[in-house]
Amino acid sequence: DAGVTQSPTHLIKTRGQQVTLRCSPKSGHDTVSWYQQALGQGPQFIFQYYEEEERQRGNFPDRFSGHQFPNYSSELNVNALLLGDSALYLCASSLAYSNQPQHFGDGTRLSIL
Amino acid sequence: DAKTTQPNSMESNEEEPVHLPCNHSTISGTDYIHWYRQLPSQGPEYVIHGLTSNVNNRMASLAIAEDRKSSTLILHRATLRDAAVYYCILRAYSWGKLQFGAGTQVVVTP
Repeated sequence: DAGVTQSPTHLIKTRGQQVTLRCSPKSGHDTVSWYQQALGQGPQFIFQYYEEEERQRGNFPDRFSGHQFPNYSSELNVNALLLGDSALYLCASSLAYSNQPQHFGDGTRLSIL
Repeated sequence: DAKTTQPNSMESNEEEPVHLPCNHSTISGTDYIHWYRQLPSQGPEYVIHGLTSNVNNRMASLAIAEDRKSSTLILHRATLRDAAVYYCILRAYSWGKLQFGAGTQVVVTP
């Protein structure tokens, strides 16, 4: 049973570019959440998708957007990249309306030059 | 959102128990207490969660104070693999977002 998978594992971009990160949830899960983790800090919640809609959003600018597909997989898009966007981006999946925990992937390391 | 307070770091000897404290004095009646850990170069991993009663699983035990304003994660016999950052998180409802703090860095020495 595959867990949460994220791609790519590493990515290097330059300021001003756009990036798309991808996430496949754990089998049986229907909700996907995205987190940003800067070096030495805990993960920060970006947003959560359920039924192909953004359900919750953290304190992130509109440059951060997402999408969820009918198969529950998800994409995180970041436009106009800034140096401060360099971080580990984590995807977590879960089952809506359940008391089960979120399962995390190992993340995409994004470096902005 | 209710916040948690954890020590920055704790050290333990291998095969000794580890007690990780967490204060959450502003917890609400519907907040679940979750613990996750993050090993180097990996995503966070679920450890345990509870609402009011103490909980046990194969990884750890969670002891919740009667007033729910604090809790303790107990690793019964620390191994080198338990060296990680441990996060205590309050979750507003069963499937809501997780709000991570800085966590506790656990160091296990042989």
